[in-house]
Formats: sequence, structure tokens, C-alpha cells
Amino acid sequence: DTEVTQTPKHLVMGMTNKKSLKCEQHMGHRAMYWYKQKAKKPPELMFVYSYEKLSINESVPSRFSPECPNSSLLNLHLHALQPEDSALYLCASSQKRTYQRGGRDEQFFGPGTRLTVL
Amino acid sequence: TQLLEQSPQFLSIQEGENLTVYCNSSSVFSSLQWYRQEPGEGPVLLVTVVTGGEVKKLKRLTFQFGDARKDSSLHITAAQPGDTGLYLCAGGRNAGNMLTFGGGTRLMVKP
Repeated sequence: DTEVTQTPKHLVMGMTNKKSLKCEQHMGHRAMYWYKQKAKKPPELMFVYSYEKLSINESVPSRFSPECPNSSLLNLHLHALQPEDSALYLCASSQKRTYQRGGRDEQFFGPGTRLTVL
Repeated sequence: TQLLEQSPQFLSIQEGENLTVYCNSSSVFSSLQWYRQEPGEGPVLLVTVVTGGEVKKLKRLTFQFGDARKDSSLHITAAQPGDTGLYLCAGGRNAGNMLTFGGGTRLMVKP
């Protein structure tokens, strides 16, 4: 099973709302990722969790708050977003952890959440 | 900073034609992943190449990793409308789990 699931599929929110994106994988991967993707562009890395601990934050604004409750789940809490934050938000997981040498590099992506901020 | 230059950025061809997409870098990668992404969906992993000179085939798709592990190509034979999508290459490093993505190639195959 190489499936990563994400909910919701679509989300429309106002700039004062608080919402959360959810991601789940059951591949036993110990690294999970959040990416942001704008139209016609490659994914941009936001956060990396390794063994349920935040290992990489790519200077993401604090209005995005990640959380990893356990090794299978990853959340992204959203608060006071701006219209320019509208994008496809992708979750991914991998066997390979942060700072690991060698091993397989593949990341498996979920279907994404299409976020629109009004 | 490792960069992956992907070309062409956009390709529009007729059904049945062949095409090649390239990913080039001045840096060495431990592996190279190719993904296909349809609009509104997440990238789907097609293949991983890890050995310099490696060639992998997936039906009408042929993937090659350069001898020096700095470049890769994807060749599609007799393209079908179902091949339409965004093709992304992504390079892995021996240390750590971050991927370097190419800029993507948007392929449209017309019937």
C-alpha cells in the first residue's frame, strides 16, 4: 500500500477563519512532509517531520502551524491566512528520515487539498 | 544549492508522436525520481533511478540516469492523450531526505 490520504479535498476559508488540513499514511514511514504548490509550478517544501519531530521548517510564516500527533498522522493548522496562500497543499511521506545517509529517496504524495482563501 | 533544470517547460504534440524530457544539473544526485501529476491531484511516482547509466522501462516510457548521475531523461514512445499531465523530476541526496525538484514539463497530447 503506497497510499497517502488527505482531507479535505477542497477548502474555502476567510482570512479570519481557523481550519486544519489532515494527512494519513500507513506505510510505516517515519518522515512526513508538507508542500505548497502554485499553479504550473513544482511543489515547494514547507515542513519536514522525522520520527514525529519537526526537523525542517523552510521559513514558513507562523500562520501555518504543523502538528504530528503520531507516526501515521500529520496536520497543518491554518489561521489568519492571506489570499496569496491559496494553493494546492500536498502531504508526502518517505522511508528516509532527515539526516539519514543512504536509503531510498522516494517520497509518496497524497492527492492534495485545494485551498482558496477569500 | 542544487538545481535541476528541466526542459522543455511545455510540449504540445499529436497522438502517436515521440518525445523526450530532460533534467540536467551540475550537481550529483544519489537518485532521480520522475513523477506525473494531473490537474488538481498529487504527483504520482513513476520510477526511481539510482545507478549511473541505468535505464528503466515502464510500458511506453523509458527513463535514463546519466553516467555521472547529474542528468536524466524521460522518453515517451507513441504518446497517448492519457499521457497528458505535468512531469516532474526530483533529485535525492545521499545525506538527508529533501528532494530537489525540476521546474516541470507540461505535456499535452492531442487526439
